[in-house]
Amino acid sequence: GAVVSQHPSWVICKSGTSVKIECRSLDFQATTMFWYRQFPKQSLMLMATSNEGSKATYEQGVEKDKFLINHASLTLSTLTVTSAHPEDSSFYICSARDSGLGSNNEQFFGPGTRLTVL
Amino acid sequence: KQEVTQIPAALSVPEGENLVLNCSFTDSAIYNLQWFRQDPGKGLTSLLLIQSSQREQTSGRLNASLDKSSGRSTLYIAASQPGDSATYLCAVRPGKAAGNKLTFGGGTRVLVKP
Repeated sequence: GAVVSQHPSWVICKSGTSVKIECRSLDFQATTMFWYRQFPKQSLMLMATSNEGSKATYEQGVEKDKFLINHASLTLSTLTVTSAHPEDSSFYICSARDSGLGSNNEQFFGPGTRLTVL
Repeated sequence: KQEVTQIPAALSVPEGENLVLNCSFTDSAIYNLQWFRQDPGKGLTSLLLIQSSQREQTSGRLNASLDKSSGRSTLYIAASQPGDSATYLCAVRPGKAAGNKLTFGGGTRVLVKP
């Protein structure tokens, strides 16, 4: 199946710093990628929809100035957590939707990034 | 607004028993339904995807059924093994367009005891 990678797999940072997480579709093109956040023992919460070449669409309650999303190419989306605080500590998962001809727009998930803010 | 519910939230069975996981959704106008597995601290692995026109999908010991009119899907895992211990999530997709968002259930945490 299609592969989505995330980098880094985990990161520890100090409060007030910014952290960038990359999401790549390795063998397919994705005009649409999604960023999720997951708290322990809870399901995934959609944060935003990342659209290649245009602005991301954020879910209600998600601060767009705090969670900056850039989708500069058909295979890469980045999420930057700006001025991170301990409450931003979470598991961040991205997914990419196959937009190639002949695909049924199936969505594939990355392995997640564990962010810990001290 | 679509709501997806998974019952039970947790399940513990002895090895060898069959597992039955339930997923219900409130809006039957879906494009497809997908079952995922998530191991602790890991991402999601897609298990089965059922299109709205299908009634079931099978892969090895896994079988997923879909009754769109009643808003239900069931994931069956035959002859469970300790390696099946994980959280299982179902998600529905409202349409084919790339921007359509998945709605996830809360998941069922499964423990298969040796």
